[in-house]
Amino acid sequence: DQQVKQNSPSLSVQEGRISILNCDYTNSMFDYFLWYKKYPAEGPTFLISISSIKDKNEDGRFTVFLNKSAKHLSLHIVPSQPGDSAVYFCAATGVEYGNKLVFGAGTILRVKS
Amino acid sequence: DAMVIQNPRYQVTQFGKPVTLSCSQTLNHNVMYWYQQKSSQAPKLLFHYYDKDFNNEADTPDNFQSRRPNTSFCFLDIRSPGLGDAAMYLCATSRPTQTQYFGPGTRLLVL
Repeated sequence: DQQVKQNSPSLSVQEGRISILNCDYTNSMFDYFLWYKKYPAEGPTFLISISSIKDKNEDGRFTVFLNKSAKHLSLHIVPSQPGDSAVYFCAATGVEYGNKLVFGAGTILRVKS
Repeated sequence: DAMVIQNPRYQVTQFGKPVTLSCSQTLNHNVMYWYQQKSSQAPKLLFHYYDKDFNNEADTPDNFQSRRPNTSFCFLDIRSPGLGDAAMYLCATSRPTQTQYFGPGTRLLVL
């Protein structure tokens, strides 16, 4: 049973526009959420995170929004750049999980120039 | 630069032939993790070490074992690889409750 779901396998966006990547979770025990970015032939790299006590966290062009009642989070990239083309993984964790990460299957983002 | 290193990057083995994947870190992190990732799927945690304490996930097959001889190194041993074990194997490290840092992965092919 998938506890973290990324329902869009891929997303294509024009350079300069907004990219919105979505993630849903089922377990209300999760209290910390992360986004990782992965280029081909490299390991995932940490991008941004959010605690369940917040509903928004911003870092430069990247903003993560959390809607706890809907068990939904999203990553916004504005403006999108060709170098943002990668696989984006949503991950969730919590104290009850011993802070182990539960990952979604990833969304491939392609930013076209 | 502090980092997580995985060797080899690509490993080919024969069906049933034991194979060992290696991970080392210069971050001096307490916790080391091994994940298995199959194509288009989420990385799946196999086990992790908190210092020398080994923590196996309930659904990790017995075919998978791990060793951590010191803080810097961690090994994944696959005793009898099957075709279904072909995957990317990711090593990660972290301080307790902190962000995990991943290595580049080892892609395993089983012939």
